[in-house]
This record gives sequence, structure tokens and C-alpha cells, in this order.
Amino acid sequence: KNQVEQSPQSLIILEGKNCTLQCNYTVSPFSNLRWYKQDTGRGPVSLTIMTFSENTKSNGRYTATLDADTKQSSLHITASQLSDSASYICVVSGSYSGNTPLVFGKGTRLSVIA
Amino acid sequence: EAGVTQFPSHSVIEKGQTVTLRCDPISGHDNLYWYRRVMGKEIKFLLHFVKESKQDESGMPNNRFLAERTGGTYSTLKVQPAELEDSGVYFCASSQDLWAGNTIYFGEGSWLTVV
Repeated sequence: KNQVEQSPQSLIILEGKNCTLQCNYTVSPFSNLRWYKQDTGRGPVSLTIMTFSENTKSNGRYTATLDADTKQSSLHITASQLSDSASYICVVSGSYSGNTPLVFGKGTRLSVIA
Repeated sequence: EAGVTQFPSHSVIEKGQTVTLRCDPISGHDNLYWYRRVMGKEIKFLLHFVKESKQDESGMPNNRFLAERTGGTYSTLKVQPAELEDSGVYFCASSQDLWAGNTIYFGEGSWLTVV
């Protein structure tokens, strides 16, 4: 069964600190892995996209890694800011076509406090 | 550039009634997707349009759900008759093509509550 598991379920950190979110997947076939940020009451916003051949991708203070052999990914947030408080969702494309359908994790709820 | 827009943003209807959700994708995006999140669950795929054609509707839960994309522009998702378990957030997304590295843009969602 195609699944995406994320940990931790929730996380609270102090402003300025770093954190790492984990994602394990069993989706097959595998095309790409995406990390999305979703603010409360809003739609998901794309942070990074990694295909099979990529093992790291950065977007500002966000750095995603991918190990396609172990089917694991992580999202590292550096020097966290209050505005980083959101749900971070790991999304895997289980299709040779590349984009559909997407399999979503339940997300990690991050709270950054002052 | 306008993003993916959805209407209505919130809707409260009674069980048995009909609701129609609308999605306007980013201009020029041939691929349009519907996803939904029900309470406590992850976001799940409903269907995928390429222009006006249904490419994949394997995620549609039952025949009470009908999606259309006449003319290959905006799309509608109709739920008739609505049931309590249909409550959730319905997201529309679009992408330019199916290349693996292509960004998929999501709308803000239509929040549906069936009472």
C-alpha cells in the first residue's frame, strides 16, 4: 500500500533554533518527492521538489534531503522564524508520469515560539 | 500572475443537499487536480484532468461526486446528495505539464461542512 509517514507529528522550537522533520515512504513506483508548507486555513505551498536522482535541494533556509534507497527524506529548517509555524507535508508521486497521483503524509505541525 | 482560485471558500449545507465547488486553475495550465482532506486524515487524490479530459478519476469516492471541466478551463466538483462524511476541505491544484520536476500549485481550498 502506498503510504507516506511523517515524524514527529508535532514539534515546538524556540525562534532561531534549527529543526529536522522526517518522512518515510513506501510509494512505488517513485517519481519525485515534494515538501509543502501549509499555514492554518490556507492551501499547501511548494517548498522543494526532488526527483530520483537528486539527494539534496535547498530553498532559502529550507534544505530537503532524499535517500531513494532507504525511501527516506528530511526537511531541515535553519534559524527558524515565527513565520515558519505551519504544517509541513511530505508528498510523493507514485507514478511514472511524474505528477499524479500524489500521496500525502499527514504532516508535521511546527510551532516556533519566541 | 493569479494563482489557483477556488469558490466558495466555505460552505455549510444540510445532508441531502447539493453543493458545487468551482476551481479556476492558473492560466495556461492544462493539468487540473482535485484533492480533499477529511477531518484527521491526510490529503487524498480525487481526480486529474488534462485539458477537458479526465485522465485519472480513481480517487473519486462514489457516484455522488461529479467533476467537469468543460472547455478545458475552470472545473466544477458537484456533490449530490451530500452526506455527513463528505465534510472536509476540497483542494484544487494545477500544473503546466506532467514533468516530474514541475511545481503543482494549490488553491486555498473550499471548506465544506455537511450538517
